[in-house]
Amino acid sequence: NAGVMQNPRHLVRRRGQEARLRCSPMKGHSHVYWYRQLPEEGLKFMVYLQKENIIDESGMPKERFSAEFPKEGPSILRIQQVVRGDSAAYFCASSPRGGNEDYGYTFGSGTRLTVV
Amino acid sequence: AQSVSQHNHHVILSEAASLELGCNYSYGGTVNLFWYVQYPGQHLQLLLKYFSGDPLVKGIKGFEAEFIKSKFSFNLRKPSVQWSDTAEYFCAVTRNTGGFKTIFGAGTRLFVKA
Repeated sequence: NAGVMQNPRHLVRRRGQEARLRCSPMKGHSHVYWYRQLPEEGLKFMVYLQKENIIDESGMPKERFSAEFPKEGPSILRIQQVVRGDSAAYFCASSPRGGNEDYGYTFGSGTRLTVV
Repeated sequence: AQSVSQHNHHVILSEAASLELGCNYSYGGTVNLFWYVQYPGQHLQLLLKYFSGDPLVKGIKGFEAEFIKSKFSFNLRKPSVQWSDTAEYFCAVTRNTGGFKTIFGAGTRLFVKA
């Protein structure tokens, strides 16, 4: 029973390139959450998705960032025209359901993005 | 805005010392509370959670946390730490009345000296 799978583990991009981060939730989990972790700042919520729907994107920067969770395949966090400030660890989490029945998330191992 | 405050960013203890990590949240409604641990180089793992009932919650590896509603607190405790407890600990809060996302504190880095 695989946990939450994120790839790649490490991603290096030059300024101006695009970064695509993938997340496959645990089997049976239909809710996916993306968080960004910066040193000394903990985890910052970015976006909450269900299959084919964005439920809450209040933590997503207005420009360059987008997320999707298609009917088939993993959830994708896309960062266009990356800048050095995008360097961080990006964690994906999944849960069987959200809202009033939150049983705690299962986290992936994260993708460490470095922009050079 | 809902927030989660962890009082100590860095804690250094010797083995066998007792541990208490503070966590306070700002939301006044009904909440679900969690503590997660992140060992060096690893992903976050759930230590324990509180939804309702007994405010003293037992978790894995000898950890426990006490929910004090009047103080908006959910402090993590362990009577006797081990070197293997060296990790970063995150308190997290989810509203269970309409909100869907979990808010995390900034984390506390614990270093246990052997």
